[in-house]
Amino acid sequence: DQQVKQNSPSLSVQEGRISILNCDYTNSMFDYFLWYKKYPAEGPTFLISISSIKDKNEDGRFTVFLNKSAKHLSLHIVPSQPGDSAVYFCAARLTGTASKLTFGTGTRLQVTL
Amino acid sequence: NAGVMQNPRHLVRRRGQEARLRCSPMKGHSHVYWYRQLPEEGLKFMVYLQKENIIDESGMPKERFSAEFPKEGPSILRIQQVVRGDSAAYFCASSPGRTLADTQYFGPGTRLTVL
Repeated sequence: DQQVKQNSPSLSVQEGRISILNCDYTNSMFDYFLWYKKYPAEGPTFLISISSIKDKNEDGRFTVFLNKSAKHLSLHIVPSQPGDSAVYFCAARLTGTASKLTFGTGTRLQVTL
Repeated sequence: NAGVMQNPRHLVRRRGQEARLRCSPMKGHSHVYWYRQLPEEGLKFMVYLQKENIIDESGMPKERFSAEFPKEGPSILRIQQVVRGDSAAYFCASSPGRTLADTQYFGPGTRLTVL
């Protein structure tokens, strides 16, 4: 039962344009969401997070939007840079816990010149 | 300012052998999490530990797998009698454990290959 879904396995975007990565979840008890970026042969690197009490969080070129009613979140990267090429994972945590993260299967972003 | 450290980075074992994976959390972090990533899949939670305590092991296979985080030293994920299906990347993460909103920071992973 995949509770966090990233339905696009890959995405290609031109340098300078906006990259939009999407994530859907099914468990309404998730209240904290994170995005991680992963290069091959490395561990995931934390990018940005959002609590369910917010609908937007911004950090430099990265913005995460949360639509609780649709159980959907998205990561916007603007402008996209070649160094952003990586696999992006969406992750969610259950209400009131400091425990496990439930990850999506990832979206591979390729930023082309 | 060392991050989460894992060793070895690569581990090759034959079927039936034991694998020991080590994780040293970031300085000041007292919570450790282990995740496994199979090829072309996302990370799957295995176990969550604090010093000398297992808090949540709901993702651990019932047999052959165990984890510990002793008072002194790194956290150890132990896999006994490895099988080919255990081949995966194993990631450790740590967090300070001060608030529920703590971010988990990941190590570089150990890539286990079972021959």
